[in-house]
Amino acid sequence: GDSVTQMEGPVTLSEEAFLTINCTYTATGYPSLFWYVQYPGEGLQLLLKATKADDKGSNKGFEATYRKETTSFHLEKGSVQVSDSAVYFCAPWGSQGNLIFGKGTKLSVKP
Amino acid sequence: SQTIHQWPATLVQPVGSPLSLECTVEGTSNPNLYWYRQAAGRGLQLLFYSVGIGQISSEVPQNLSASRPQDRQFILSSKKLLLSDSGFYLCAWTRQGGSPDNPFQYFGPGTRLLVL
Repeated sequence: GDSVTQMEGPVTLSEEAFLTINCTYTATGYPSLFWYVQYPGEGLQLLLKATKADDKGSNKGFEATYRKETTSFHLEKGSVQVSDSAVYFCAPWGSQGNLIFGKGTKLSVKP
Repeated sequence: SQTIHQWPATLVQPVGSPLSLECTVEGTSNPNLYWYRQAAGRGLQLLFYSVGIGQISSEVPQNLSASRPQDRQFILSSKKLLLSDSGFYLCAWTRQGGSPDNPFQYFGPGTRLLVL
């Protein structure tokens, strides 16, 4: 069945460090892929998405490229800020018409 | 441990029919509760959230409504479904207040709704 494996946290970085959060998935065909973010005390928000192979989603300095050959959608940011501290969820669109959420990766950025 | 239930898992309904989706949480008290919808190819959209019994906030105007008759029960309803209501509906909860150490939002298994 459809599934997603996401890098386990917590991830603790210093400000301006480079961030990578790995995500790989198993799904039928080539589903749309999403990264969601949840800031402390808030609901889930869409961070970025890619709808087909080789697409690059980007937002707020974050990027993720849809790699069909490795079925991956790793999240990256070149220079993290304290305000990026949050929980990040990778979520492919499943073949059953639903979102398959990863377990989430908590990121803490220290000044 | 806490668990969250949603039912039904899948639902096919004709246009114009009513809707009732139920979400219940176990193992915690006084949670914040949320209803989200994911339409095909789109991001997740927050529909309603509730911080307590009878307290409902709506994020998007639509023909859906939500109610919270009990502390750990959250119901999504419609009097007349539209084709555009098709999608994946996700219930979620968080602890009251939240904190940087416990920001997690816990998700239910979801309900796939197809309106024909």
